[in-house]
Parts: sequence; C-alpha cells; structure tokens
Amino acid sequence: DTGVSQNPRHKITKRGQNVTFRCDPISEHNRLYWYRQTLGQGPEFLTYFQNEAQLEKSRLLSDRFSAERPKGSFSTLEIQRTEQGDSAMYLCASSPGTGANEKLFFGSGTQLSVL
Amino acid sequence: GENVEQHPSTLSVQEGDSAVIKCTYSDSASNYFPWYKQELGKGPQLIIDIRSNVGEKKDQRIAVTLNKTAKHFSLHITETQPEDSAVYFCAASMDKIIFGKGTRLHILP
Repeated sequence: DTGVSQNPRHKITKRGQNVTFRCDPISEHNRLYWYRQTLGQGPEFLTYFQNEAQLEKSRLLSDRFSAERPKGSFSTLEIQRTEQGDSAMYLCASSPGTGANEKLFFGSGTQLSVL
Repeated sequence: GENVEQHPSTLSVQEGDSAVIKCTYSDSASNYFPWYKQELGKGPQLIIDIRSNVGEKKDQRIAVTLNKTAKHFSLHITETQPEDSAVYFCAASMDKIIFGKGTRLHILP
C-alpha cells in the first residue's frame, strides 16, 4: 500500500491524558498537512509542513497541540492534557510538490474520543 | 482568512438524474478550487479541480464551473449512479486548502 498511512485508526483516552498520532505520507511527498474533522463538518486546517519545516499553524491549534516532521518523512501530532472538545477525526494529507495548490492525498484518519 | 460556504447540506436525487452542489468563497485571491468526495470511514478523495484561469472543466459525468466575479463555483454530476452516494466537499485555496462543510448526496433507486 503506497497511500498515506495513519496510526492508530482509533484512540480512546481519558480527559487530561496525552495522545500522539502518527502519519506516514506517500514516499517523497514534500508537503504534509494535518486537518481536524468533526461530525457533519468539513476538514479544518490545523498545520502543514514543507519537508521538515512547519510553515503555518492555524489559530485552532492551541498550545496543547504540537506537530513535528523530523527529517521530512513521517509526522506526529501530539495533544497534551486532552479535553472532550478535542474529540474528532484527525486527518493527515500529503502532496508531492512545493506549491500550495496541488492534489491532497488523505489518509483514513485517526478517530479520537476523549471521555 | 478564506471562508467557504456550501449548499445544500443534504441532497437526494433519483438514480439517473443530475445533482448540483453550489459553493461561494470570500477571498478573491483564491485561485484553486478542488472538489473532494468522502465515503464512510475513509479520508476525502479528490474528484476534480479547477483553477482560476478556467471557467469550466469536465471529466466524464462530472463538471465544475467557476464564476470568479461572483465568487461562485459549482459541481454538476450527471446520470447519477448508486456509487455516487457520499459526502462531497468544495474547497478554495490561495496558500492552503479551506473546505466547505459538505453535502451529503443520496442517490435514490
């Protein structure tokens, strides 16, 4: 499978715990994006990377959220001190080039439930 | 920042009929307008896109139109089939892709 891979597919955690998600983009894709999607809504932009550099973070991304992409390959998204409002599907996408307006290839997402 | 409005939120059409989904955007600098289809349990998948230097684009049963002056763009699906049932998202982009809230399309037998 050469698509975007996200792990885990599902995560259930208790409020206040930390969680980390992983995204493996398509090989040699330069850009990697994180989006959040809640039920009945479209994906909301969180942040993106050009290789290993994090170029933009949404105002939605509070200080409890941090994302990394070491060596410009896989990426991790960590949420500290989770809150019930963090419950959502977290989607990762990658694109091949360095421009903004390209096809995004999405993974199947990580569904987070905060109890 | 960019804001994308999409309607209707739900659309039911008889199999074989056409479906139309409409979107508006707020940032006149946006120059790329993709449409994504999302099936249950999967991430969105690009089905067609259009750039601001083009007014219309067609790919088999799917067509998109763009009116930059009015900041409107639309998706047209003709001869709908059961496998067209899904959630469709329009989006607009200048430097990052911003999505609408989606349209759930039901194809009725």
